[in-house]
Formats: sequence, structure tokens, C-alpha cells
Amino acid sequence: DAGVIQSPRHEVTEMGQEVTLRCKPISGHDYLFWYRQTMMRGLELLIYFNNNVPIDDSGMPEDRFSAKMPNASFSTLKIQPSEPRDSAVYFCASSFRTRSETQYFGPGTRLLVL
Amino acid sequence: AQKITQTQPGMFVQEKEAVTLDCTYDTSDQSYGLFWYKQPSSGEMIFLIYQGSYDEQNATEGRYSLNFQKARKSANLVISASQLGDSAMYFCAMREVSYSGAGSYQLTFGKGTKLSVIP
Repeated sequence: DAGVIQSPRHEVTEMGQEVTLRCKPISGHDYLFWYRQTMMRGLELLIYFNNNVPIDDSGMPEDRFSAKMPNASFSTLKIQPSEPRDSAVYFCASSFRTRSETQYFGPGTRLLVL
Repeated sequence: AQKITQTQPGMFVQEKEAVTLDCTYDTSDQSYGLFWYKQPSSGEMIFLIYQGSYDEQNATEGRYSLNFQKARKSANLVISASQLGDSAMYFCAMREVSYSGAGSYQLTFGKGTKLSVIP
């Protein structure tokens, strides 16, 4: 079975440019999460969706960040305009409402903003 | 106060020996879940093991076991018979119920422990 798929795996961009990260959750999973990982702050939850609806976006750092989930098999995280401090690894994870509700992570997108 | 505390930034273990990675947590919820993830140098986050707060027995998954001490609020990961491939960052995480929207949950991570297995 395919796991969570993220693209691109690496992104290098210049400050001010728009960046779009993509995620395909595991088929049948009804929760989707976006995380950011940095050395300074560790793993932070940015936003999560249930059945394509955003439930909690309190972790989104500022208005430059937006996330959408137009259908059950696709989500995007957009940064516009990007800044050097956005450089991080961005993970997408998905889960299904079982007893453990284990989140399964994608391989991550390593973003570098110059 | 931190919700998940991993006090060991780095650990060394001899190959084939057992190692315990510490994790303490803080919550006022009665129902919660505890997870361990492994992050090798390649960067992916790999789920290892889960323990529910109402589970009476410690969780085990192959060489991984979780030493759950509810009164002490600790959920230590034990890796038996360490292998070179176990060298990685290990993260403890806790699921608490979030009463927003669908009543789902937040997953909070500790800062991790870097395990190095010595041949």
C-alpha cells in the first residue's frame, strides 16, 4: 500500500516567491495534518483537516501561510510570499479514526528560502 | 510547562544491547495516547509503537516495547538487541483530545533523543 506522498521532496526558492507543497494522504484516511520541523522549534502542527474541512489552523504562523484540501486525496500548503525563516522540513501526515488514531507521515519536503 | 519531556538529547548503546529512551508527559486528560516515532538521517518519520492511557498492559512491537507508568506519567521506549540501523532520532508524542470542530486531537512532540548504536 502506498504511504503518504509529498511533493516536491526538495524546494529551493528565493525570498518573495510563492511556494506550494503538495500531499496525497493514505487512501481511506479522513484526517490530514501539516507539520513543520525546525532545529529551533522541533515539530509543530500547523493545521489539520477532517473530511477535507479545516478543523484547527491555530498553528499557522501568519497570513502568508494557507492550506487547502479540495478533495479526500489531495492537499496543498502554500506560502506567499516566502521568507528565509520559512526554511524547514514540512511534513504531511494522515490518520483514520481508529482506537489509536496513529498518524502516518510522508517523507517531508525540505524547503530552503534564500 | 512542556507537555512532553525527553531529557536525553543523545544516547549511545552497544550493538546487541538493550536501551531505554525516557519520556515523561503532562496532561490532565483521562483519555490520551502515547506514541514513539523514529526519524533516521534520511528524514522520514516512522511510527513505532502506541500506548493508550487505558491500556493495562505495556505495548510491544517486535524489538520495541513501551514501559508505561501512568502514575509517574512516563512512557519510556525500550529497544532490545540494538542494531546499527536503530541509530536515529526518536520522538515521543502525546495525543490529547481537542474539543474543537470534529472533537479530534492534537499530537504534541518532544524534542527527541538521538540514539547512536556502536558496533
